[in-house]
Amino acid sequence: NAGVTQTPKFQVLKTGQSMTLQCAQDMNHNSMYWYRQDPGMGLRLIYYSASEGTTDKGEVPNGYNVSRLNKREFSLRLESAAPSQTSVYFCASSEEAVALHFGNGTRLTVT
Amino acid sequence: GNSVTQMEGPVTLSEEAFLTINCTYTATGYPSLFWYVQYPGEGLQLLLKATKADDKGSNKGFEATYRKETTSFHLEKGSVQVSDSAVYFCALTTISGNTPLVFGKGTRLSVIA
Repeated sequence: NAGVTQTPKFQVLKTGQSMTLQCAQDMNHNSMYWYRQDPGMGLRLIYYSASEGTTDKGEVPNGYNVSRLNKREFSLRLESAAPSQTSVYFCASSEEAVALHFGNGTRLTVT
Repeated sequence: GNSVTQMEGPVTLSEEAFLTINCTYTATGYPSLFWYVQYPGEGLQLLLKATKADDKGSNKGFEATYRKETTSFHLEKGSVQVSDSAVYFCALTTISGNTPLVFGKGTRLSVIA
């Protein structure tokens, strides 16, 4: 079982560049999430999608946009990357808000 | 709002030692409580959960009891192994309103042989 798949695994950007982080799940879950993980800060929710066609802001949405392309896919876009967005990004999915299934993360460095 | 506070690490223990990682919470409504574990280079995995007061979640020798009176969900294991070295996250959600999980900051555990 693939579960939650994130691409790419690693990325280095220059300040001002844009990129999209991809996430796909094969568990037929309704809800999907994007978190960022920073040292000493734990996981902070960026955006989530409770169901196909809906998205909502989390704790730290500034500088990001999301698209719930279909039930399987939920992408995260950085329009103009900043060094403060250097982080590890995790996508997750679940049925309702219980028992999230996480991908293995994307490590992003912005120089 | 909802929040989770867990003890700061890192925690370093010898193999076969007893482990406690403290977690307390504040929540509106009736929360469900979780412990997640993150092994190096991986995403988080659900370790155990409890959905109502006095429930005990358990898995892989780890246990945690949902204590409403003390708003706590401390993680315990009687005898840790080197393979338990990881980062542990306490989390909660309130099912009413289908709110996303809120995580604590994580506690790094290192177990030495």
